[in-house]
Amino acid sequence: EAQVTQNPRYLITVTGKKLTVTCSQNMNHEYMSWYRQDPGLGLRQIYYSMNVEVTDKGDVPEGYKVSRKEKRNFPLILESPSPNQTSLYFCASSLWTSGLTYNEQFFGPGTRLTVL
Amino acid sequence: SQQGEEDPQALSIQEGENATMNCSYKTSINNLQWYRQNSGRGLVHLILIRSNEREKHSGRLRVTLDTSKKSSSLLITASRAADTASYFCATGLMEYGNKLVFGAGTILRVKS
Repeated sequence: EAQVTQNPRYLITVTGKKLTVTCSQNMNHEYMSWYRQDPGLGLRQIYYSMNVEVTDKGDVPEGYKVSRKEKRNFPLILESPSPNQTSLYFCASSLWTSGLTYNEQFFGPGTRLTVL
Repeated sequence: SQQGEEDPQALSIQEGENATMNCSYKTSINNLQWYRQNSGRGLVHLILIRSNEREKHSGRLRVTLDTSKKSSSLLITASRAADTASYFCATGLMEYGNKLVFGAGTILRVKS
């Protein structure tokens, strides 16, 4: 089954304790992206990657890191989480063809993070 | 502010009625997409309309795009209780790879 998986689905942590949220897709997609969703703000892009070893900042990258060592995986790293990073996080993937943005994105089930 | 802004923020209708949601955006786009999100879950792609298209259908969904007004609408006909969800428009921007900018969404409640 074609899917995007995220782990963990729920996480409660404390300020400053490093954490990683994993994301994996089995559709051989080039493009992967992380979003956070906060009430009234919709989804905001944190980081994205157009292929292995190619990553770039989205609209709200502060406090986050990513890596793309393999095509299928795109982990999100919070080196020193703070309470303002409490949010619902989504990973997404899609095909990507240079110069075209006609591709739907497939979303993971979400990770609900609480930072105390 | 968000590139895409949905209107209304919330909509409550009876089963069988039609639901119309609108989306306005600010900059030139490659395409506009609509997604559905059931409470707290991942988004599911509904339909994509390219900037050179004016109308598209998929089952009970009808999407229109007016690039001169920078607006789109999503019509769900003969709504069902299972259509209860949040609906988001997302604009694909001209100058980025596959960047989508999402609006804040419309919460649709279909009462049975």
